[in-house]
Parts: sequence; C-alpha cells; structure tokens
Amino acid sequence: EDQVTQSPEALRLQEGESSSLNCSYTVSGLRGLFWYRQDPGKGPEFLFTLYSAGEEKEKERLKATLTKKESFLHITAPKPEDSATYLCAVQVFYGGATNKLIFGTGTLLAVQP
Amino acid sequence: DAGVIQSPRHEVTEMGQEVTLRCKPISGHNSLFWYRQTMMRGLELLIYFNNNVPIDDSGMPEDRFSAKMPNASFSTLKIQPSEPRDSAVYFCASSRLAGGPRDTQYFGPGTRLTVL
Repeated sequence: EDQVTQSPEALRLQEGESSSLNCSYTVSGLRGLFWYRQDPGKGPEFLFTLYSAGEEKEKERLKATLTKKESFLHITAPKPEDSATYLCAVQVFYGGATNKLIFGTGTLLAVQP
Repeated sequence: DAGVIQSPRHEVTEMGQEVTLRCKPISGHNSLFWYRQTMMRGLELLIYFNNNVPIDDSGMPEDRFSAKMPNASFSTLKIQPSEPRDSAVYFCASSRLAGGPRDTQYFGPGTRLTVL
C-alpha cells in the first residue's frame, strides 16, 4: 500500500534555530514529490516539486531535497512567519490517473521569537 | 489570477439536510479535485475530474456523496443526507495538465462544514 509518513508531528523552534522536517514514502511509480504550506483556516499553498533523487530546490529560508525513499525540508534561520503546517505529498502513477496525490499528515511548525 | 474559488466558506447544517459545496477552478486548468481534511485522517482525495469527466471517485465515502462538473468553470460536491461525521474542511483544487506527469495542484480556501 502506498504510504507517506511525516516526522516529527510537531516542532517548536526558536527564531534563528535551523532544523529539518522529514517525509518518507513507500510508493510504487513515484512521479513527483510535493511540499505545501498550510496556514490555519487556509488551503495548502504550493512550495516545491521534486522529481528525481538528488534534486534540490530553494525558496527563501526553505530548501527541499529528495532521495529514493525520503525528502527533507530544511529551514534555515526560521522566523515566526514560517510557523505553519508543512504537508508532503507524492504523485503516484496509477495507469491513467497520474494526477493523484497522496498526502502525509503534516508537521506543525511553531517558531517562537 | 483569482485562484480557486470555493463557496460557502462556512456551512452549518442539521443532520439529514442536503449540503452543496461549490468550486470554480483556475481558468485554463483541466483537472479538478475534491478533498476532505480532518484531524484524524488528514487530507483525503474524494474524487477528481479531467476535462469535466469524473476519473476516479474511489475516495467518495458512500452514496450520500456525489459530485458534478457541468462545465470547465464549475463543480459541486453534494452530501445528501448529511451526518455529523461529515463535519470536516472540504477543499477544491485544480491543475493545468489533464493526466500530465509534471503538474501542480492549487488549492482553494476550503469550506468548513459542521453538521449538528
């Protein structure tokens, strides 16, 4: 069964304290791995897509990396405005249904000033 | 671009009542998705459409749920009759490429449904 697991479930950081979030997956036919950010009361906001092992993408204080079994979202010198839930999703090939995403349950990040 | 538009943003209803959620995808997008989010189960795909045609409805929990997409700019998710366990946040998302391998889903703001 295709599965996506995120850890930790929750993370509390001090402003400026760098850390990483993990997304491990067990899927067949991976087409891509997506990171989204979700603020309370809002829909998920797209951050990155990674397609192959070794690929990296950056956006401001965030950097996403991908291996064959997991992805990391590195947060460098976070600020309070980085507080949110970060969701990982994998796009799986199911024959013609290539747009299907399977989401992890997310990591709730709180950055304290 | 206006993004994905959903209405209503909040819905409170009594058990047994019919509920209709609405979604307008991003113009030019060919795929539309309905998700449900709860604390216990996270984000779950209910159904998705390519070019207005339902492709995969395996996530629809039971016959009380139905979805339609009469044209490229409008979709509805209907629950009839509603039950308290249907309380959740329902998201609509759209993407550009129908079945494309390199594609991104963009989410609306969601509808928070409470069934009393």
